[in-house]
Amino acid sequence: RKEVEQDPGPFNVPEGATVAFNCTYSNSASQSFFWYRQDCRKEPKLLMSVYSSGNEDGRFTAQLNRASQYISLLIRDSKLSDSATYLCVPYSGNTPLVFGKGTRLSVIA
Amino acid sequence: NAGVTQTPKFQVLKTGQSMTLQCAQDMNHNSMYWYRQDPGMGLRLIYYSASEGTTDKGEVPNGYNVSRLNKREFSLRLESAAPSQTSVYFCASSEIGVSGNTIYFGEGSWLTVV
Repeated sequence: RKEVEQDPGPFNVPEGATVAFNCTYSNSASQSFFWYRQDCRKEPKLLMSVYSSGNEDGRFTAQLNRASQYISLLIRDSKLSDSATYLCVPYSGNTPLVFGKGTRLSVIA
Repeated sequence: NAGVTQTPKFQVLKTGQSMTLQCAQDMNHNSMYWYRQDPGMGLRLIYYSASEGTTDKGEVPNGYNVSRLNKREFSLRLESAAPSQTSVYFCASSEIGVSGNTIYFGEGSWLTVV
């Protein structure tokens, strides 16, 4: 099983829609998790950190299911500017971080 | 704040040429990394340096060398460039803490080997 697995997408959703991505991880020792956002031809940037069961920041909600070893990212009321690739990164206390391949989101007007 | 700065941003090399990608961070981070990103492959770690004076191989180290010159700087060298090394290279830095390991990236270096 790969260390991090994500559905590559693309997810094509209309503006205003709610969309969710899942990320499964293999290392049960993972302590915390990060979602990064990467725009086309740009560097990844931190979107959200998750240290317990979940986190919420405005339209973005991350939920962690340790029993099933997956973490999800929910985006409500999608905007055109949300179009990007979303990278899941579990943290197990060891460097370096291993990134998933990402899920591509396209929000359509 | 500059954060992570890498140069050059774009470079075209001929097969067999050598070059060094430079990276510097101003956040006083201990750890620094070099990743490459190819279409459909995601970010793959080439080398990393957990602290000044140490370097370790990542997932795809062949054909590369690194130098952790000081705490701020971490360079990546291609001794004899090959077309398979055409990629986007990202330098990054982080500080590992109890709560995690937030990593900050440079803007990337687009390298083409012809």
